[in-house]
Amino acid sequence: NAGVTQTPKFQVLKTGQSMTLQCAQDMNHEYMSWYRQDPGMGLRLIHYSVGAGITDQGEVPNGYNVSRSTTEDFPLRLLLAAPSQTSVYFCASSYRAGSGYTFGSGTRLTVV
Amino acid sequence: TQLLEQSPQFLSIQEGENLTVYCNSSSVFSSLQWYRQEPGEGPVLLVTVVTGGEVKKLKRLTFQFGDARKDSSLHITAAQPGDTGLYLCAGGNQAGTALIFGKGTTLSVSS
Repeated sequence: NAGVTQTPKFQVLKTGQSMTLQCAQDMNHEYMSWYRQDPGMGLRLIHYSVGAGITDQGEVPNGYNVSRSTTEDFPLRLLLAAPSQTSVYFCASSYRAGSGYTFGSGTRLTVV
Repeated sequence: TQLLEQSPQFLSIQEGENLTVYCNSSSVFSSLQWYRQEPGEGPVLLVTVVTGGEVKKLKRLTFQFGDARKDSSLHITAAQPGDTGLYLCAGGNQAGTALIFGKGTTLSVSS
């Protein structure tokens, strides 16, 4: 089982560039979320989805867009990258509310 | 806004010692989860506690959910170097549609 797959693992962007972080899961999970992890800040929720076609904002959504056209995929888009978006990004999925989440191995993004 | 506060933030102990990590909130949670994260990897689920007062054991790890379902603790008996990592508690947001996390406790166990 692949679980949750995130690509790329590492990325360097210049300020103002755009990019998409990919996330795919093969467990038929309805719930998917994106987090960013910064030193001393824990995991902060960016956007989440409870099923195809349904997305909502988390704690820190500014500067990020998401879409959920299929159950399997939940891409995260950075439209105009800023140095403040330098972070490690994690995608996670879950079968239902209250059950454990499976995390990808993360994307380390540096914006210069 | 639901917040989960973890303490201590850092813990450095010797092999064989016992330790307890706390996760507290002013909000009631339907369940709380504990995750462990190693450097360069994503968090991995250790346990979910659902019932107030519940105690779950996972080998040398004991997890407890407070009676009022506002807090939880993780106790490790006879810590080993392999227990080193970041321990995170998490609870459902108000709609139960996503998880929010505490800031974590970084544990270092030296031999």
